[in-house]
Amino acid sequence: QKEVEQNSGPLSVPEGAIASLNCTYSDRGSQSFFWYRQYSGKSPELIMFIYSNGDKEDGRFTAQLNKASQYVSLLIRDSQPSDSATYLCAVKWYKLSFGAGTTVTVRA
Amino acid sequence: KAGVTQTPRYLIKTRGQQVTLSCSPISGHRSVSWYQQTPGQGLQFLFEYFSETQRNKGNFPGRFSGRQFSNSRSEMNVSTLELGDSALYLCASSLEADYNEQFFGPGTRLTVL
Repeated sequence: QKEVEQNSGPLSVPEGAIASLNCTYSDRGSQSFFWYRQYSGKSPELIMFIYSNGDKEDGRFTAQLNKASQYVSLLIRDSQPSDSATYLCAVKWYKLSFGAGTTVTVRA
Repeated sequence: KAGVTQTPRYLIKTRGQQVTLSCSPISGHRSVSWYQQTPGQGLQFLFEYFSETQRNKGNFPGRFSGRQFSNSRSEMNVSTLELGDSALYLCASSLEADYNEQFFGPGTRLTVL
């Protein structure tokens, strides 16, 4: 079983819609959870992190964490073409473990 | 403030050779982590250094090693290169160990022929 699994994608959404990305993790000792965005040919950049159960909002992005279900999600509201990228879920215990990523395409 | 820098950006080596990659963290950052990114395995953690000490290590063979200097700059070395070592090697820095925000450098693209 992989440590971090993401919905495989690719995910295509129209401009202005909500993109929903899901991630599950296997290690119950994980303490911090991250979402990174990676544009093609670029390095990952941190969008947001969450470590408490519930929702955390930052602009158009909302991260949701449910430790009991070992589940993390990211919602992108009012999706823009500039949001087209691969989104990586990462989970930290003693090291940062990444999912394979979900590629999102926002159609204009 | 300058970001994380990595040198060289591109490297071509042949099997059996060794390679050294360099990473300069953001000024003031003391923790450096290294990752390998490949299409098949994704982003995988190699090791983390803080105050010149390796704190954590991922599941990579002993051919992969690293070190950190007193100015927080870090190097990683891969000996006896194999074709499967072809990858993008990313360095990330953070203020302190276990700090949540890690900032990635542009990476070094290593091709092993």
